[in-house]
Amino acid sequence: QVQLVQSGAEVKKPGSSVKVSCKASGGTFSSDAISWVRQAPGQGLEWMGGIIPIFGTAKYAQKFQGRVTITADESTNTAYMELSSLRSEDTAVYYCARTPTSDYAWFDPWGQGTLVTVSS
Amino acid sequence: ESVLTQSPATLSLSPGERATLSCGASQSVSSSYLAWYQQKPGLAPRLLIYDASTRATGIPDRFSGSGSGTDFTLTISRLEPEDFAVYYCQHYGSSPLTFGGGTKVEIK
Repeated sequence: QVQLVQSGAEVKKPGSSVKVSCKASGGTFSSDAISWVRQAPGQGLEWMGGIIPIFGTAKYAQKFQGRVTITADESTNTAYMELSSLRSEDTAVYYCARTPTSDYAWFDPWGQGTLVTVSS
Repeated sequence: ESVLTQSPATLSLSPGERATLSCGASQSVSSSYLAWYQQKPGLAPRLLIYDASTRATGIPDRFSGSGSGTDFTLTISRLEPEDFAVYYCQHYGSSPLTFGGGTKVEIK
């Protein structure tokens, strides 16, 4: 059973960048899709984009295009999400989530979430 | 971009009652590519239903999904104490993938 374990909480200054990792254990994810979804405090869920490691190319929601970079390292079964030009509105819990197909679909399982706080 | 609208925003029910949650899409969802999730405070969402009506592994059969096109429903046949949570629908028929705003099922 694949589990996703994310890196720890981060506090960042406005204008800086953050990079969150997501490591798959109990299996590999090369042929899966790994997406990143964020949730601002008290708000709903928002898909940011994802990557299918076996294909190597990422797809991004237009809202985040140019500010987010999603990558994957197949050798360590780890995916990364880097968000730049941080602003206070980026304060949120960031989740990675797996789709067990080579496409973006439903998400199962999810990582435990990483809280990113943007504050001066 | 397909906008998903969930109703009601809050559902107040007692354990043992039936819960009916709705998810409406602004555009037809191709091939019933719609999922439902349950989220409890401080935890990640948990997949309940995918492809509109297929229960995920380990999900009790009191959870069922139905619908097609632009109208989808999640039904919980008899609410158990652990079912009080927030529920989200999500489509994956086209990019970007989007989620509904959520329905909170609370204890009456």
